Amino acid sequence: DGGITQSPKYLFRKEGQNVTLSCEQNLNHDAMYWYRQDPGQGLRLIYYSQIVNDFQKGDIAEGYSVSREKKESFPLTVTSAQKNPTAFYLCASSPLQGYSGTDTQYFGPGTRLTVL
Amino acid sequence: AQTVTQSQPEMSVQEAETVTLSCTYDTSESDYYLFWYKQPPSRQMILVIRQEAYKQQNATENRFSVNFQKAAKSFSLKISDSQLGDAAMYFCAYRSYPNTGNQFYFGTGTSLTVIP
Repeated sequence: DGGITQSPKYLFRKEGQNVTLSCEQNLNHDAMYWYRQDPGQGLRLIYYSQIVNDFQKGDIAEGYSVSREKKESFPLTVTSAQKNPTAFYLCASSPLQGYSGTDTQYFGPGTRLTVL
Repeated sequence: AQTVTQSQPEMSVQEAETVTLSCTYDTSESDYYLFWYKQPPSRQMILVIRQEAYKQQNATENRFSVNFQKAAKSFSLKISDSQLGDAAMYFCAYRSYPNTGNQFYFGTGTSLTVIP
């Protein structure tokens, strides 16, 4: 089945540590996204990528980094510079803008990160 | 950047009744896509319904329908015959068509409670 996988489901980090969240998709989508979700704030865009080896900052990129070495993979690193990283992180993918009915964004199951 | 506003943080509905969730957006573009996503307690984001702005006919998916008012920039979701499984967070989202950044813009969500 095609879809998006995120791992781990739960992640615990000590202060001062970097951690990497995994996101893999087999939908053959060009665009991939990372969102952070906090209570009452909806989804906020961290980074997105439209093509391999290229990515753009979203609204809250500070303290995060990404890479896009393969079309299928878009890992997110939460660095020690991120002051309040405890949150729920969602990865998503979509086809690039086109003129068909396939412009929907699809989401992974999410990763809950807690800083101890 | 486009903005999406959901003015109802919480809504409730009796089982089998109808409820309408509101969404407004701000854009200067003439063509775009609009979406409603559902996020149940599992936190998996699920597409409920989508609407292309160039289509005048309101989209419907079984018990879910939208009232798309382009001039008013309004995109409300109507849930008929509400079921306990409809209890979730609902997010309205916008995507440009065509788009230079392939970004999606989300509202802050409406938490729907279904009362048995």
